[in-house]
Amino acid sequence: EAGVTQSPTHLIKTRGQQATLRCSPISGHTSVYWYQQALGLGLQFLLWYDEGEERNRGNFPPRFSGRQFPNYSSELNVNALELEDSALYLCASRTGGELFFGEGSRLTVL
Amino acid sequence: GEDVEQSLFLSVREGDSSVINCTYTDSSSTYLYWYKQEPGAGLQLLTYIFSNMDMKQDQRLTVLLNKKDKHLSLRIADTQTGDSAIYFCAESRGHTGGFKTIFGAGTRLFVKA
Repeated sequence: EAGVTQSPTHLIKTRGQQATLRCSPISGHTSVYWYQQALGLGLQFLLWYDEGEERNRGNFPPRFSGRQFPNYSSELNVNALELEDSALYLCASRTGGELFFGEGSRLTVL
Repeated sequence: GEDVEQSLFLSVREGDSSVINCTYTDSSSTYLYWYKQEPGAGLQLLTYIFSNMDMKQDQRLTVLLNKKDKHLSLRIADTQTGDSAIYFCAESRGHTGGFKTIFGAGTRLFVKA
């Protein structure tokens, strides 16, 4: 069974551009979570989607947005990129008590 | 508050036991987790414990939960160099029909040969 998959693995953008990151949850999982892990820091909760709806968002500006599609895959969009948006973006999906992560998408903003 | 706190570093010798500690603030936490992150990789779920349990053992890993003190620990027996990684503690609580999961900052474990 495939795990949580994320694409792209790496993405390089310049300031002011937009980035789109994608996530496919484990088959059968309806909840998708996005986290930001800046270099040397812990995980900061970004967004949580379930059954196509945004259930909660962390303390991030509105230029961080996303959506969940009918097949439960999800997209994270970051507009007007800033240097401090450079980070590893991790997606997770869950069933019951188990929360599984993908390998992440590393975004570098130059 | 939503804090999950861990010490940042731990150094042990190969073959010794490692104990990584974590405290959390929300008494309504339902699940408590330990994740391992190796350099450049995502998070690997090591083990988790339901909040009505006080101990869980899985091979070299032992999780202890003191719900009264809101304290969680992970013990790794016979620590190996391959155990060197960052270990994240996390807690989940019910929220609007699902679960919200909050992570600590991670404990970097160094294993000396």
